[in-house]
Amino acid sequence: AQKVTQAQTEISVVEKEDVTLDCVYETRDTTYYLFWYKQPPSGELVFLIRRNSFDEQNEISGRYSWNFQKSTSSFNFTITASQVVDSAVYFCALSEGNYGGATNKLIFGTGTLLAVQP
Amino acid sequence: DTAVSQTPKYLVTQMGNDKSIKCEQNLGHDTMYWYKQDSKKFLKIMFSYNNKELIINETVPNRFSPKSPDKAHLNLHINSLELGDSAVYFCASRLGQRGLETQYFGPGTRLLVL
Repeated sequence: AQKVTQAQTEISVVEKEDVTLDCVYETRDTTYYLFWYKQPPSGELVFLIRRNSFDEQNEISGRYSWNFQKSTSSFNFTITASQVVDSAVYFCALSEGNYGGATNKLIFGTGTLLAVQP
Repeated sequence: DTAVSQTPKYLVTQMGNDKSIKCEQNLGHDTMYWYKQDSKKFLKIMFSYNNKELIINETVPNRFSPKSPDKAHLNLHINSLELGDSAVYFCASRLGQRGLETQYFGPGTRLLVL
């Protein structure tokens, strides 16, 4: 069965600190996709990144970086030099890939609330 | 341009009423979803449609009935609303092809049942 675990319920940091959000997943599929979404206080769900199971390269986008490690089934998210605007709930999600198409659904973790204090 | 839109944004109603939430996407996607986010922020799939055909139907009470008049629209009708239906309902869409897995979400509809 698919499962996504975000063990950190809440994290509080001071502005300019670096912070890493952990995500551990379980799947029996050999092809799958991993995602991070951001939910700011305004409530919408904002797509941040998608990673394919066959591509283990880490990715950096500005202050954001992602570390995908199949050996530990983890897909961690680091924010460098955090800012108040980064305060949000961050969700990690998993989607099967072997069947493709419309049968795929997102399995979400429980989210990590990040509070960045000025 | 709004990619995935939902109406209404807020919905406050009494127990026992019937209500509908509408979703439209202008991304040219052929697969649409409904997710429910409960008071603890947990997100769970409810339904998916591909080209107007129901594909995923999770364990959802049959008081919830999705309808897709065309591939750009997916509506959610809820009969006999209960207190436990209070939640945020998100619509999402994607292209229903392997490799194009990213789902884009609407702004959510906040339903409060009194």
